[in-house]
Amino acid sequence: IVMTQTPLSSPVTLGQPASISCRSSQSLVHTDGNTYLSWLQQRPGQPPRLLIYEISNRLSGVPDRFSGSGAGTDFTLKISRVEAEDVGVYYCMQGTQFITFGQGTRLEIK
Amino acid sequence: EVQLVESGGGLVQPGGSLRLSCAASGFTFPNYWMHWVRQAPGKGLEWVANIKHDGSDKYYVDSVKGRFTISTDNAKNSLYLQMNSLRAEDTAVYYCLGARTWGQGTLVTVSS
Repeated sequence: IVMTQTPLSSPVTLGQPASISCRSSQSLVHTDGNTYLSWLQQRPGQPPRLLIYEISNRLSGVPDRFSGSGAGTDFTLKISRVEAEDVGVYYCMQGTQFITFGQGTRLEIK
Repeated sequence: EVQLVESGGGLVQPGGSLRLSCAASGFTFPNYWMHWVRQAPGKGLEWVANIKHDGSDKYYVDSVKGRFTISTDNAKNSLYLQMNSLRAEDTAVYYCLGARTWGQGTLVTVSS
């Protein structure tokens, strides 16, 4: 399954919203009924960190300014108000059929 | 607290071998699929291999089939990746992934 993210770079003003799209080459609905689409954050020099799993479930400790939505083959990560600590690369990841990642979207501050 | 800690990376010559380990804590290790994912310098993420919780199923990305072997030791809550016939293109940080948690990674450099 090929994952395609847009945009690949996103300059954002502090306090403004940001949105990243992810499209899969086929439906991510698993035979068990779940959709294994996750969002990861990788800050500079750090390992990836899981933010959201199964489309819209935030992990404990993830700020509520992060939200995920979508279904089937189209998914979106939204940050309601970007903060300086949000700088980094964001990846979508599917786990429905093995694991594949999007190319990554670099979030930077204008 | 769920934690994954990788070890075993280092510098190795082309054609050489390394064994990576991942020590898990804070969750019931045998209940989860476990994965190895790598990231070449300055590049994105690439899934390498995974193993079912009972060890009955193992899958690999095509580029490592026949060279890498994934395994677990449930008694030690540990995941392993035996890497043989290493190539320059295997140079990357290798991450252990499971239970919605990523380790901090271990760097493998293949160079003469």
